[in-house]
Parts: sequence; C-alpha cells; structure tokens
Amino acid sequence: EPEVTQTPSHQVTQMGQEVILRCVPISNHLYFYWYRQILGQKVEFLVSFYNNEISEKSEIFDDQFSVERPDGSNFTLKIRSTKLEDSAMYFCASSETGLSNQPQHFGDGTRLSIL
Amino acid sequence: DQQVKQNSPSLSVQEGRISILNCDYTNSMFDYFLWYKKYPAEGPTFLISISSIKDKNEDGRFTVFLNKSAKHLSLHIVPSQPGDSAVYFCAASSSGAGSYQLTFGKGTKLSVIP
Repeated sequence: EPEVTQTPSHQVTQMGQEVILRCVPISNHLYFYWYRQILGQKVEFLVSFYNNEISEKSEIFDDQFSVERPDGSNFTLKIRSTKLEDSAMYFCASSETGLSNQPQHFGDGTRLSIL
Repeated sequence: DQQVKQNSPSLSVQEGRISILNCDYTNSMFDYFLWYKKYPAEGPTFLISISSIKDKNEDGRFTVFLNKSAKHLSLHIVPSQPGDSAVYFCAASSSGAGSYQLTFGKGTKLSVIP
C-alpha cells in the first residue's frame, strides 16, 4: 500500500539554526499538509499546499516557517531560525483531493529536538 | 479552544469485548469526521470516517456513529483484539469554509487486555 515517507526520523538542531524536514507524499495525491504534535498535546494543523502554493495556514505557521515542493516528489518544511518551542513531532500528510470527504494519510513523522 | 474533545484519556477493555471511544465537537460547521489510530513511533493511520449526512458507517469490526444534534460521535470496535491497543484520535473537518485542515482531539489510549 502506498505510504507517505518522512526523513529524517529524528533531527537534533541547535536553537537558531535552520532545519528542513522532508516528505514524499503518495504519488497520485495532489494536496499536502504539515501538522505538528508537541509532547503531551494535540496534533495541530500547520499548513496545506496545493498546486505549488499554500492554500491554508494556521496562526502557528508564522514567517519562520516555509514550505516548498522542489521537485515532482518531495515536499519540505523549513524552519528558518529554530526556537526551543519548535521541539515537536512533525507529521506530513497527503490526500488525493482537497475534498473534505477524503482522508488525509500521514507519514511516521520527524521528531525535532531543539537544544 | 477545544473544538474536538475526547474526554477519556484512556480505556481498558478485555479481549473479545466491545470498545467504545467517544468524541464531542463544538463547531457546527464540521461535516466530516474521521478516526485515526496511532501506534508509538508511527504516524496516525486512517481508520474510518463518516460524513455528516450519515449517522452510521461500518467497516468490518469498526463502526462509527454520529449524533449531530448532540455533536457527538463514537467508535465501536467489536470484538476488540490486543492488536487494537493504540491511541485513537478523533478528527473533524469542514467543507463549507473551504478549509482542508483536520482538527484533532487529544486522543484516547485503548488497552485491550488478553
């Protein structure tokens, strides 16, 4: 069964450094998403992406964050200058369409630890 | 702002019995509801969903019930198996706002005891 893959599984970064989290969505999916889960808290929506542009973003997704689809398969989340509070699990997801009755399929996440 | 609430952080059930996981929501714009299962060190795995035009959806051992007037949904697993032990997340989305985001509950950790 096709799946969303994320790399790396764990990223340790010094505060203030840039970090790029990578995702390969399911190949025929057109909508891509990033979510995060801070330890002990809910999974929270960050951003959705379609047709090479952001379609929706949450208030968490400030100017420190950016997303990109650099080629036909990868989807990346960049945090420009990481803060301690950026430590979380980051999940990438994709869906075939953006219709609300289509489930989003998630990768196994990248654990980001900011020191 | 808890638009999706799962009030039971944990649930223990004997193998073979029914597991019932509950979820409440406050946003009346939500029209699609999903359940995800999550094992440690893995991402959420889609389990089953229901549209607001229905009150029940069944897939094998899993049934989701929706009570729109009460803004409540539940996931029934019967019979429960030890492999069902995981954290279950309720999630919701709204098509009306042109929104793609899922809003999640905090999750319920299900333990199925052999």
